[in-house]
Amino acid sequence: AQSVTQLDSHVSVSEGTPVLLRCNYSSSYSPSLFWYVQHPNKGLQLLLKYTSAATLVKGINGFEAEFKKSETSFHLTKPSAHMSDAAEYFCVVSAAGGGNKLTFGTGTQLKVEL
Amino acid sequence: ETGVTQSPTHLIKTRGQQVTLRCSSQSGHNTVSWYQQALGQGPQFIFQYYREEENGRGNFPPRFSGLQFPNYSSELNVNALELDDSALYLCASSLAQGREQFFGPGTRLTVL
Repeated sequence: AQSVTQLDSHVSVSEGTPVLLRCNYSSSYSPSLFWYVQHPNKGLQLLLKYTSAATLVKGINGFEAEFKKSETSFHLTKPSAHMSDAAEYFCVVSAAGGGNKLTFGTGTQLKVEL
Repeated sequence: ETGVTQSPTHLIKTRGQQVTLRCSSQSGHNTVSWYQQALGQGPQFIFQYYREEENGRGNFPPRFSGLQFPNYSSELNVNALELDDSALYLCASSLAQGREQFFGPGTRLTVL
């Protein structure tokens, strides 16, 4: 069985300040982990993925995440928020590779203020 | 290269009716997965098709069924619609099993 818990349903930051979106996972095997972003009325876009290679993963638009097995965490960070980052973010776990069933968290709504 | 497309974009049905949603996978992708995203929730896996065969199913009743065609496009059929079926239905395709999934924009279904 696999699951993810997104610890914050809403996060609000000021433009230019760091972003931290928290995710904990549970998996009975070595997982693949992902972060997806969903802008209003648009499809899900993959930000980054971890598939048992380097534990610090860099993604698009300046986002990165660190896989910490001891803490079962995969938090998403960005050094400086931009207005265009405002969206819904989903932490996702899957069996290795990600082409099989994806299990999504409940999402974190990121608000970026001037 | 054309991405994943879905039709229609919006649909309104009444309780008890049947609906068919369509998905065209990205060029060269032979695996299609369907997800249901209720308002304010994360997407939930419905099922996956690989080379025209169902290859994994989530916790959805049999009135949710699907098809995959030789060109790898896919349909999601829902019979006896219920109010709780109102959701955004997402299709995702991948180059093969175990590879990254690419999502379409979704079909918004409203059941009245």
